[in-house]
Amino acid sequence: DIQMTQSPSSLSASVGDRVTITCRASQDISNSLAWFQQKPGKAPKSLIYAASSLQSGVPSKFSGSGSGTDFTLTISSLQPGDFATYYCQQYKTYPLTFGGGTKVEIK
Amino acid sequence: EVQLVESGGGLVQPGGSLRLSCAASGFTFSSYWMTWVRQAPGKGLEWVADIKPDGSDKYCVDSVKGRFSFSRDNAKKSLFLQMNSLRAEDTAVYYCTSWWSSTWQRADYWGQGTLVTVSS
Repeated sequence: DIQMTQSPSSLSASVGDRVTITCRASQDISNSLAWFQQKPGKAPKSLIYAASSLQSGVPSKFSGSGSGTDFTLTISSLQPGDFATYYCQQYKTYPLTFGGGTKVEIK
Repeated sequence: EVQLVESGGGLVQPGGSLRLSCAASGFTFSSYWMTWVRQAPGKGLEWVADIKPDGSDKYCVDSVKGRFSFSRDNAKKSLFLQMNSLRAEDTAVYYCTSWWSSTWQRADYWGQGTLVTVSS
């Protein structure tokens, strides 16, 4: 199985900060990577697919990059609604696997 | 408006069975891959299974093989998850979701989730 490792597992940031979350795959997944945002008590929401393609309706302050084994999600200017947990997911190979999540909290 | 509505969750004893349903509306259900994802209390997301638009192919995580079965009824726009031999570690919120159409158009459809609790 492909292991997905996210870092950090949590971070504290202020409104307006630029935030970067990394995700590493245990083997080459090309660009078959998605990012999800989840708020407490809610279903996740897709932000990015194919490593860097923005899901329809997602603001451009979210961006993704990377290929192969190393990926990043960047939020350009953190707003109150962005405080949530973020997950990466590989869909190159079954079983599909998620990273452990990164909780973004208010400093 | 796209809607996915799960039902069938609840409290079940270890070794018991439960059948989850997911009713879809607002999109061409028969043209979409459907996926089950679960989340144990306070934990991260875990992919459980994918089922092809026509139901001919199914893929699932090893931990549920032989215990869970997956099906869909495109005429009724419904997805099903039959869970047998349930274990405490199956306790989770189960989400019905779809990320891909049959032509690989990206989607982001989610149900509200249904809680399955396996406990004596």
